[in-house]
Amino acid sequence: AQTVTQSQPEMSVQEAETVTLSCTYDTSESNYYLFWYKQPPSRQMILVIRQEAYKQQNATENRFSVNFQKAAKSFSLKISDSQLGDTAMYFCAFDGGGSNYKLTFGKGTLLTVNP
Amino acid sequence: SAVISQKPSRDICQRGTSLTIQCQVDSQVTMMFWYRQQPGQSLTLIATANQGSEATYESGFVIDKFPISRPNLTFSTLTVSNLSPEDSSIYLCSVGVGYNYGYTFGSGTRLTVV
Repeated sequence: AQTVTQSQPEMSVQEAETVTLSCTYDTSESNYYLFWYKQPPSRQMILVIRQEAYKQQNATENRFSVNFQKAAKSFSLKISDSQLGDTAMYFCAFDGGGSNYKLTFGKGTLLTVNP
Repeated sequence: SAVISQKPSRDICQRGTSLTIQCQVDSQVTMMFWYRQQPGQSLTLIATANQGSEATYESGFVIDKFPISRPNLTFSTLTVSNLSPEDSSIYLCSVGVGYNYGYTFGSGTRLTVV
């Protein structure tokens, strides 16, 4: 079974600064998908960024980028130029694809952006 | 991506009763997923619902407690039966966006059992 570990229960950052959230996972799959989701107090789950394991290039979406290290099974999220609206719970998630087409979530990291 | 309408957004129920949660999707989808998010916790998959077949439940979740219906490709319901305070959680439905392009979630149902 796949497991996803987020070792930082809480983090804080000053507005306009950069912060990195950590995620590691364990799997025996060779092709899979990784995601970061954001859950603000509204509780709506919002997809932040997606990475396909067979792609070596790290995914980037505007101020959000990932550092995907397949051998180390590491998938960190970097948020640049942090904004107050980035304050939320961030979940790392794994999708094994194929017959394992479902999401396994980490415990989450609560990010607070301070003015 | 698909848009999901989930109802109710919140409810307070008496122990021993049941609550049925509905999710309506604006496009046809093969699989729908139901999650539970206990207070301050992460999301845990309850079951996967395919149209025309029985739902597939994850370890620790049983059909008698969480019956699911999937009458067509745009709609599903989750019932939480014989409620106890331990069932107080947020329940979310989700659908895939294409093949592994991510998942879209409903806005969640906050259930409080008293």
